[in-house]
Amino acid sequence: ETGVTQSPTHLIKTRGQQVTLRCSSQSGHNTVSWYQQALGQGPQFIFQYYREEENGRGNFPPRFSGLQFPNYSSELNVNALELDDSALYLCASSVQVNTEAFFGQGTRLTVV
Amino acid sequence: DAKTTQPTSMDCAEGRAANLPCNHSTISGNEYVYWYRQIHSQGPQYIIHGLKNNETNEMASLIITEDRKSSTLILPHATLRDTAVYYCIVRVAESGGTSYGKLTFGQGTILTVHP
Repeated sequence: ETGVTQSPTHLIKTRGQQVTLRCSSQSGHNTVSWYQQALGQGPQFIFQYYREEENGRGNFPPRFSGLQFPNYSSELNVNALELDDSALYLCASSVQVNTEAFFGQGTRLTVV
Repeated sequence: DAKTTQPTSMDCAEGRAANLPCNHSTISGNEYVYWYRQIHSQGPQYIIHGLKNNETNEMASLIITEDRKSSTLILPHATLRDTAVYYCIVRVAESGGTSYGKLTFGQGTILTVHP
């Protein structure tokens, strides 16, 4: 059974650009959540997708958006990148919305 | 979600039990206690969770007080590879409302296991 995989592992973007991060959920998991972790901080919840619908969102602006596909993989899109968007972006999947979540290794995004 | 309080850092000798405390005095009846850990530059790793009974798995034991206002994560025989940040999180058991299935991470406890 494969775990949660994220791509790419590292990425450098310029301020103002757009970025798409990808996540493949663990087999049998229909719920995906995204988190942002700034250096030295705990992860912060961005949003959650359940069966292709967003069903929860944290305190992030609309330029953070996402998708979940029929195979339950997911994308996180960030438009108009700002320097403060530099962080580790984590994807987590779970069997259901409120069951234990399993995390991928993350994508390290650097905005210059 | 209820707030949790954890010590900033703890030390433990290799081979000894590591007991990590967590205070969650405002926990509600429908909230679970979850523990995750994060080894440097990796994604958080699920350890264990519980509602009111003590729980044990291959990684750790979770002891929840009878009033549910605090808990302790026990790593019975700590190794150097257990050095990590440990997060205690309180999370609603049911979906719906505004909490969904999100995990609210605090600063956690930095556990250092030394030889």
